[in-house]
Order: sequence, then structure tokens, then C-alpha cells
Amino acid sequence: DAGVTQSPTHLIKTRGQHVTLRCSPISGHKSVSWYQQVLGQGPQFIFQYYEKEERGRGNFPDRFSARQFPNYSSELNVNALLLGDSALYLCASSLASGQTNSPLHFGNGTRLTVT
Amino acid sequence: GDSVTQMEGPVTLSEEAFLTINCTYTATGYPSLFWYVQYPGEGLQLLLKATKADDKGSNKGFEATYRKETTSFHLEKGSVQVSDSAVYFCALSDPSSGGSYIPTFGRGTSLIVHP
Repeated sequence: DAGVTQSPTHLIKTRGQHVTLRCSPISGHKSVSWYQQVLGQGPQFIFQYYEKEERGRGNFPDRFSARQFPNYSSELNVNALLLGDSALYLCASSLASGQTNSPLHFGNGTRLTVT
Repeated sequence: GDSVTQMEGPVTLSEEAFLTINCTYTATGYPSLFWYVQYPGEGLQLLLKATKADDKGSNKGFEATYRKETTSFHLEKGSVQVSDSAVYFCALSDPSSGGSYIPTFGRGTSLIVHP
């Protein structure tokens, strides 16, 4: 079975631009979460979606938004990019939301560089 | 709020040496605990987990025991291999954190194993 897939793998943008990152979960997984991983740090939670509804939001500005589609894939959008948005953006899927012992399955991430 | 503290890396070992990576946590409830591993250029993969006190998670020769009295979940392996070189993340999921599965990650500990 295919794992979590993310696209694109790498992206270079200029300050002020907008970016859209995409994620397809493992087949059968209904929950998708987005994380930002800055070099040398652990993943920081951005959003969680389950059944197309937002179930959690981390401490990120309103420039960050996301949505989940009927097929459970997801998009992360970032507006007005800043240099500090440069990071690895990870998508993770899980079977359900609200189950603390259900592990996350991560994609390989999208490396975003803002110049 | 919930937090995870890991020992700082890098941890540098020779092949077949014994490995310990320390992890302590702070949580308001009774969390599930996880170790994830990230190989270069990849996303995170679940290594092992434990869902209640005194549980031992194990996988691929790695072990960690959920110690509630010391709020710790230290990762150990008796004999490391070069292929174990990666970044290891300790994480927790706390059911008192609003009902959604939103794990908190540590900063990660880099392991370098020399032949």
C-alpha cells in the first residue's frame, strides 16, 4: 500500500508570495495533520483535520490555512510568505482523531525555502 | 502545558555500543508515549510506543519503558549499527489535551554510529 504522499518535494518561493502544499493520506485514514519542522527542531503542530472538519489548530498566524477534501486528501496554504516560513512541512495521517494511542504515519515532507 | 525534553545530541557511538537516549515528559493527564525515527531526507516513522505505566515498547532491538514515577521514557538498544544513524524524537499524546490526537514532540536527538 502507498504511504502518505506529499507534493511537491521541494519548493523555492520569494517573500510575500503564496504557497500550496498537498498531501494524500494512507488509504483508509480519515485524519490528516500538518507539522512544520525547522532545522534542528522537532515537528510543530499546525492543523489537524478529520472528516473534512478542523479538529485542532496550533499556534500559527492566520496566514496559514488548510482544508481537507472528500477523498481525505489535504492542502496547506501559506500566504504572504516570510523568510521564517522556510522549513520542512510534514503531513501525517492516522485512522481517526481523538485516539491517543493511534500513531501518526508521516510523509517525506515538502522542503520550502523562502528567499 | 504538555512538554517533552530530550537529551541534546549528537550522540556519537561506535558500532555494537550500548545506546541510551533520555526522554522526560510533563503532562496533565495519562499520556501515551512514542519514539519516532527520522532518517536523512525522510519523514518520521513510528519506532515504538507505550500506552500506560510500566508498559515496555520494543521494535528492531530498541526498547523503552513507560516510567510514571520518574515521568520518563528512555530509549535503549543493546548493540547499535551504522544503519541506526538517524534523528530520534520522543513524543506524547495526552487525552486531557482537548480530546484530539495532537502529539507533542521533543526537539530530537541525533545519533551517529561509526563503523
